[in-house]
Amino acid sequence: NAGVTQTPKFRILKIGQSMTLQCAQDMNHNYMYWYRQDPGMGLKLIYYSVGAGITDKGEVPNGYNVSRSTTEDFPLRLELAAPSQTSVYFCASRGGQGRIYEQYFGPGTRLTVT
Amino acid sequence: AQSVTQPDIHITVSEGASLELRCNYSYGATPYLFWYVQSPGQGLQLLLKYFSGDTLVQGIKGFEAEFKRSQSSFNLRKPSVHWSDAAEYFCASLMNNNDMRFGAGTRLTVKP
Repeated sequence: NAGVTQTPKFRILKIGQSMTLQCAQDMNHNYMYWYRQDPGMGLKLIYYSVGAGITDKGEVPNGYNVSRSTTEDFPLRLELAAPSQTSVYFCASRGGQGRIYEQYFGPGTRLTVT
Repeated sequence: AQSVTQPDIHITVSEGASLELRCNYSYGATPYLFWYVQSPGQGLQLLLKYFSGDTLVQGIKGFEAEFKRSQSSFNLRKPSVHWSDAAEYFCASLMNNNDMRFGAGTRLTVKP
């Protein structure tokens, strides 16, 4: 199993550009998450999905959109990039219904908006 | 508000010395608690987790953590630190099925 994979690893965007961060998992997990990590801060939840076709907002959703058309993929879309979106983005997935199941994290995407 | 606090931003210990990283949570019910480790440029790896039962939990790489309800704490410990333990450590609390709250992290430096 590759686990949770993310592409790209690094990206520089200009203000106002758009891009999609890709996330895929091969563990057949229903739950998937997008977090951002700012320097000196913990991770904050952007969006999550409990299954294909179902998504919901997390703590910091503004400026982002997601979709979940398949179990495996959970892309994160930035429509109009702003400097405040400079961050490291982590995707995670979790199997099982209960809270006892841990989240598995991808390696992250480092995004800079200038 | 539900939150997780890691009071120490940066800790330096000598190799072979003991380690304790502090974590406090704020939540009405019993939370599900986790410790993750993040090496530079990497994602997060789970060290250990607590859901219920024995309040002293063992994890990977020789780490353990103790849940103390009276102090709202879940401190991470290791008896003897290795140079490879240098990393960022995050405490997290799962408030409900999908609301995972992370602390700001503690960066561990290990002196030779």
